[in-house]
Amino acid sequence: AQSVTQLGSHVSVSEGALVLLRCNYSSSVPPYLFWYVQYPNQGLQLLLKYTSAATLVKGINGFEAEFKKSETSFHLTKPSAHMRDAAEYFCAVSDGRMGRRALTFGSGTRLQVQP
Amino acid sequence: DTGVSQNPRHKITKRGQNVTFRCDPISEHNRLYWYRQTLGQGPEFLTYFQNEAQLEKSRLLSDRFSAERPKGSFSTLEIQRTEQGDSAMYLCASSPKEVVGMENIQYFGAGTRLSVL
Repeated sequence: AQSVTQLGSHVSVSEGALVLLRCNYSSSVPPYLFWYVQYPNQGLQLLLKYTSAATLVKGINGFEAEFKKSETSFHLTKPSAHMRDAAEYFCAVSDGRMGRRALTFGSGTRLQVQP
Repeated sequence: DTGVSQNPRHKITKRGQNVTFRCDPISEHNRLYWYRQTLGQGPEFLTYFQNEAQLEKSRLLSDRFSAERPKGSFSTLEIQRTEQGDSAMYLCASSPKEVVGMENIQYFGAGTRLSVL
């Protein structure tokens, strides 16, 4: 079974500060890993993905994440926060084997950006 | 590409009533997924279709829930005899045929928010 743990349900940073959102996963097989962002009353938008290629993954809006197998982590970072980054962020894992498609999501981290 | 479309956006119903939601995936996406999201939680997988075949079902999908994708295009999710615990956001996602490096990329709709009174 797979699982995702997002440390910190709320993170608050100042505009221009580093953003670090933590995600640890558990999977018995090589995983696919994803970060999604959700704005109020909207669906989820894919930020970036890891599917067994480069371990440092760059996504949209200046976000990036690094897959660390030894630490079973896939933390999301952005060097400089912007007000528009305020949203809910979800880390998700899926089984990398053929035919398995269900995403398992963490409980989310709400990012607040202070002016 | 108009994105994944879900209707209605909001549904208010009384306990015991049946409700049906519709999802129109992105054109030519052959995979379609349903998830449920309750307040303060991440989405939980319900079921998945490849074309018209329902290939995975979560244990969350009780016998009151049924999903169809009759022609491999749009899908419907029906909840019979709704309960207050069914109140949630129901999200639909779709994905295209896979290519290397784009495995299991799912594109989500805005969801249908169900309130059971």
